[in-house]
Amino acid sequence: NAGVTQTPKFRILKIGQSMTLQCAQDMNHNYMYWYRQDPGMGLKLIYYSVGAGITDKGEVPNGYNVSRSTTEDFPLRLELAAPSQTSVYFCATSGTGTNKETQYFGPGTRLLVL
Amino acid sequence: GENVEQHPSTLSVQEGDSAVIKCTYSDSASNYFPWYKQELGKGPQLIIDIRSNVGEKKDQRIAVTLNKTAKHFSLHITETQPEDSAVYFCAARDAGKSTFGDGTTLTVKP
Repeated sequence: NAGVTQTPKFRILKIGQSMTLQCAQDMNHNYMYWYRQDPGMGLKLIYYSVGAGITDKGEVPNGYNVSRSTTEDFPLRLELAAPSQTSVYFCATSGTGTNKETQYFGPGTRLLVL
Repeated sequence: GENVEQHPSTLSVQEGDSAVIKCTYSDSASNYFPWYKQELGKGPQLIIDIRSNVGEKKDQRIAVTLNKTAKHFSLHITETQPEDSAVYFCAARDAGKSTFGDGTTLTVKP
């Protein structure tokens, strides 16, 4: 099992460009999350999803959009990139059962907006 | 919403010593408290967790304690080793969402 995969690993964007960060999981988890991590800071929740077709805003949703058409995929869209969106982005999942709260993180996407 | 404070932000210990990291939370509805270890260039990985109906949990050299009344929980690492060097995050979770502390950079000197 690959777990949680994220692509790309690193990207440089110009101000105003758009891009989609990809996240895929093969653990059949219902919950999926997008976080951003700024240098020296903790993880801030951008958006999350409790299942296919359902998404909700987290702490810092402005400038981002998400969709969840399948259980496996949860892409994060940046429409008009700004320097403030320079960060490392992590996707995470959590499932059901005894350890439903445990989150599994992907390796991250490092984004630089210039 | 939930607010999690984590201290210290950096911690340096000698190999073999113990390390303690503390977190406080604000929302009494939070019922799950995980600790994550993040190595350079990688995503966070769960190392231990505790639920609100338990006061202490131990896994080999790692232990977590929870004081619900005071709304704080702590990570204890004994007999530290150089490979314990990493950034550690605490979190408090309620209603499907987690709020993270800002992290502690632990350095274990050989």
